[in-house]
Amino acid sequence: GAGVSQTPSNKVTEKGKYVELRCDPISGHTALYWYRQSLGQGPEFLIYFQGTGAADDSGLPNDRFFAVRPEGSVSTLKIQRTERGDSAVYLCASSGGGGTEAFFGQGTRLTVV
Amino acid sequence: AQKVTQAQTEISVVEKEDVTLDCVYETRDTTYYLFWYKQPPSGELVFLIRRNSFDEQNEISGRYSWNFQKSTSSFNFTITASQVVDSAVYFCALSGGGGTSYGKLTFGQGTILTVHP
Repeated sequence: GAGVSQTPSNKVTEKGKYVELRCDPISGHTALYWYRQSLGQGPEFLIYFQGTGAADDSGLPNDRFFAVRPEGSVSTLKIQRTERGDSAVYLCASSGGGGTEAFFGQGTRLTVV
Repeated sequence: AQKVTQAQTEISVVEKEDVTLDCVYETRDTTYYLFWYKQPPSGELVFLIRRNSFDEQNEISGRYSWNFQKSTSSFNFTITASQVVDSAVYFCALSGGGGTSYGKLTFGQGTILTVHP
């Protein structure tokens, strides 16, 4: 597709459950980023991939959060034992790398009840 | 550590007014990039502009213009003759050019712009 695609667009899950959020970046983009945006706030960095490897995962809040990008394209953000505080919009972006502009997907709105 | 401050939480204007959104940043990097993104009600972040730290030339794109001043660490955004379609949340963001901050964006809190007809 032409843009960054994220699925699902909405996810409601019960506290304690496991969830996976998927991101399809723009074709050919080597860099992929995950951000989390809480209501009324700016996006906060979670993790950044360059190719298949996580170049910087300093934004992951704790070990319940994990992300993979096994073939250097699609990425999955995985959250274990979800908590109500994990409720937010999770945004994925891709870029050609470095300081070039990042193009964002429409996000996955995660609600933990 | 990097920081972006957008002091204006909300701005309300009437159509055709000019409006300036302020952005002040902090970084220890000598090479860095500054960005503005627009987030309409649909939620998707739309890229508007990227500037690198070595280029202080102001830029104009249609009704949009940007004023980058390293001396005051500011990167302000002006919309001339605002329109209702400009209503959105606008984010200023900063990216480092190397080291541990390479490739990730630090966003400000955002400014909610409402343009009334």
